[in-house]
Amino acid sequence: LAKTTQPISMDSYEGQEVNITCSHNNIATNDYITWYQQFPSQGPRFIIQGYKTKVTNEVASLFIPADRKSSTLSLPRVSLSDTAVYYCLVGDNFNKFYFGSGTKLNVKP
Amino acid sequence: GAGVSQSPRYKVTKRGQDVTLRCDPISSHATLYWYQQALGQGPEFLTYFNYEAQPDKSGLPSDRFSAERPEGSISTLTIQRTEQRDSAMYRCASSQGQQNNEQFFGPGTRLTVL
Repeated sequence: LAKTTQPISMDSYEGQEVNITCSHNNIATNDYITWYQQFPSQGPRFIIQGYKTKVTNEVASLFIPADRKSSTLSLPRVSLSDTAVYYCLVGDNFNKFYFGSGTKLNVKP
Repeated sequence: GAGVSQSPRYKVTKRGQDVTLRCDPISSHATLYWYQQALGQGPEFLTYFNYEAQPDKSGLPSDRFSAERPEGSISTLTIQRTEQRDSAMYRCASSQGQQNNEQFFGPGTRLTVL
């Protein structure tokens, strides 16, 4: 499984766009990139998944450069309720996710 | 059901006792997962089921840990002869199928071993 590296924490203010970058230098050809969000005292929640280029849904965008060695989760106009831990996962075996420690995002008023 | 449920939500036990945790997945979901999550860390994979089959137990920390899903729906995770290092949040998740990327997590069971 490809190892991922994310910042331990990030601070932002309400209304700003937040970009969290994940490095995965050893990503394999068949690997997908998946992001989860976890609030305190809750289980993780799926945000978005992609393989290459750009994916967008109603809550986030995922940018993946051509070499796929990194990816960036973009959260538009964050609010206080976006304060959470964000996990970047890489793999082709959806039955065996490795979450790591994630990025703790703190959104300030 | 509407979501994944787990019981009990909290369990306090003494070292050496056996505990059994229960997970009730979303009713239409074929695949069920168990994770262990320590405070401040991400969930760590323990095992998963496709219906009643258990293809991967590689994440189970020791032979004191076992899981069942005999009828392909509800699952139990049993820890025998509990140790203090077993104290953690145990999370269950389910997904529609083996190739589906979206796992839905339950609220977890907080296990404390004294």
